Amino acid sequence: EIVMTQSPDTLSVSPGERATLSCRASQSVNSHLDWYQQKPGQAPRLLVSRASTRATGVPARFSASGSGTEFTLTISSLQPEDLAVYYCQQYTAFPFTFGQGTTLEIK
Amino acid sequence: QVQLRESGPGLLKPSQTLSLTCSVSGALITSDAYYWSWIRQYPGKGLEWIGSIDHRGNIHQNPSLQSRLFLAIDTSKGQFSLRLSSVIAADTAVYYCARDDTFLRGFDVWGQGTVVTVSS
Repeated sequence: EIVMTQSPDTLSVSPGERATLSCRASQSVNSHLDWYQQKPGQAPRLLVSRASTRATGVPARFSASGSGTEFTLTISSLQPEDLAVYYCQQYTAFPFTFGQGTTLEIK
Repeated sequence: QVQLRESGPGLLKPSQTLSLTCSVSGALITSDAYYWSWIRQYPGKGLEWIGSIDHRGNIHQNPSLQSRLFLAIDTSKGQFSLRLSSVIAADTAVYYCARDDTFLRGFDVWGQGTVVTVSS
């Protein structure tokens, strides 16, 4: 199965600053990658599909890029409500697999 | 507004069978655009895709669970279900049902999740 590895495990960023989260696949997933945000006590929420397309209602401060094995999620100006765990997930091959998550803390 | 809601017992003993149902409202379960999926989240927060089924009964399953897993769909009731046999403590998790949009991509709608604990 394809192993997804996210870095860092935890990221602490001040409000208004940029946050950059990384996701690496153990083999190419082309652009078959989604990003999810999970706030405390909630189900995950789709943020980005197909590596770079923001889901409906997702603020423009969230952007994503990448293809193949290296992917990035960027939050341009961190807001307090962005406190969450962020997961990447590949769907190029079964079984679909998730990264272990990056916990985003607000400094 | 599309909603998914999981239902089923929250506590099982080892070797029992876990049965969960997901009720779909606000969306056509018979749409060709969707697979209906199960995902679980372990207490340590890791997410695992369990499997997906479409309205025709086409199924994709995680090989790690395949020997114990049964997925089904009842389009007349707007429900899909999961049965996991011979549960062990390691099956303890929050179980989510979710809609997989195969056109736009992504698990775009999730249930609120149901806690399943396996303990003797």
